[in-house]
Amino acid sequence: ETGVTQSPTHLIKTRGQQVTLRCSSQSGHNTVSWYQQALGQGPQFIFQYYREEENGRGNFPPRFSGLQFPNYSSELNVNALELDDSALYLCASSSMTDTQYFGPGTRLTVL
Amino acid sequence: AQSVTQLDSQVPVFEEAPVELRCNYSSSVSVYLFWYVQYPNQGLQLLLKYLSGSTLVKGINGFEAEFNKSQTSFHLRKPSVHISDTAEYFCAVSATGRRALTFGSGTRLQVQP
Repeated sequence: ETGVTQSPTHLIKTRGQQVTLRCSSQSGHNTVSWYQQALGQGPQFIFQYYREEENGRGNFPPRFSGLQFPNYSSELNVNALELDDSALYLCASSSMTDTQYFGPGTRLTVL
Repeated sequence: AQSVTQLDSQVPVFEEAPVELRCNYSSSVSVYLFWYVQYPNQGLQLLLKYLSGSTLVKGINGFEAEFNKSQTSFHLRKPSVHISDTAEYFCAVSATGRRALTFGSGTRLQVQP
């Protein structure tokens, strides 16, 4: 069984640029959630996708957007990057068993 | 809405000693409870979960946790820790597992020889 994978592993961008992060869900999972983990903090919920529709959103501005594809993989897009967007971005997938399984994360650095 | 408080930011302990990492939560609805572990420069790995049933939950790597509804707590315990248990531990809650997880701020467990 393949687990949750994310790409890229690391990314460096400059302020004002746009970035796309990718996530492949675990086999059999139809729900993907994205979290932002700033240094030294717990993960914060960004949004969740269920069967290609947004199914809940945390307290993040609209420049954070996402997509889920028919194979349940997902993208997180962030426009107009700010220095505070520097963080580890975690993707988690789940199914009807109600447990989220996390990928290794993408480390984004904004200069 | 839910909230999670992890009462200790750091817990130093000697190898083979017992340890307890404390977690309290607040919620107006019934919750599911989780403990995740994060090793340096890695994602989160599920240690254990409480969805329903027995309040004593056993997880991987010898960890266990007890759900106490009256005290709104879900403390994590291990009777004898190893150096390899050194990591960051996060307690999390959700109204249902498919909705948002709310995490605590984490507890750094440092196991010393």
